Amino acid sequence: EVQLIQSGPEVKKPGATVKMSCKASGYIFSDYNIHWVRQAPGKGLEWLGFVDPQYRDTFYNEKVRGRVTITADTSLDTAYIEVSGLRSADTAVYYCATAFSTGYFDYWGQGVLVTVSS
Amino acid sequence: DIQMTQSPSTISASVGDRVTITCRASQGISGWLAWYQQKPGKAPKLLIYEASTLQSGAPSRFSGSGSGTDFTLTISSLQPDDSATYYCQQYNSYSYTFGQGTKLEIK
Repeated sequence: EVQLIQSGPEVKKPGATVKMSCKASGYIFSDYNIHWVRQAPGKGLEWLGFVDPQYRDTFYNEKVRGRVTITADTSLDTAYIEVSGLRSADTAVYYCATAFSTGYFDYWGQGVLVTVSS
Repeated sequence: DIQMTQSPSTISASVGDRVTITCRASQGISGWLAWYQQKPGKAPKLLIYEASTLQSGAPSRFSGSGSGTDFTLTISSLQPDDSATYYCQQYNSYSYTFGQGTKLEIK
């Protein structure tokens, strides 16, 4: 059974950095890209970027490029997302998701609430 | 960036009704479109991919169609469990965008 288990909720002050994890199981981690998507309270879904765990290649949404870093550790079957220079607009639930095929997200983590507040 | 516009933003329908949600892309995306269902407090769930392929495990009352810029999600006979928000999502050249969502309410 494919599972993506994410780390716990975070509360951060403006300007801080947050790093979240997403541990995969039930498939060969290095074979498929891991994406990150966020959802601000009461809002829609926003794709942030993805990592190819095997080659460490990354692609980012231009809107967050430079503030978001996505990495993967194949020895731990875990992907990470780091968001720096946090502001209130970054308050959201952050999801990781797999892409077993091109173009869509078939399995999702449970989501992590990140709250940015002074 | 390719923008995705869904309509309507909200829809209220009765059990047994046929419901259609539309999604329009700002430029052609061939068939690279997916539909998701999201319930409050839960992660989105993939329903349809490549515009018209039903995801394994998704109920057969859901169907998708379209290509290029115009796409539709149809629920053939609405069930109480279908109360949720539905999102379309496009893929093009390593970039992904979602529609703003359609909230479906059961009368």
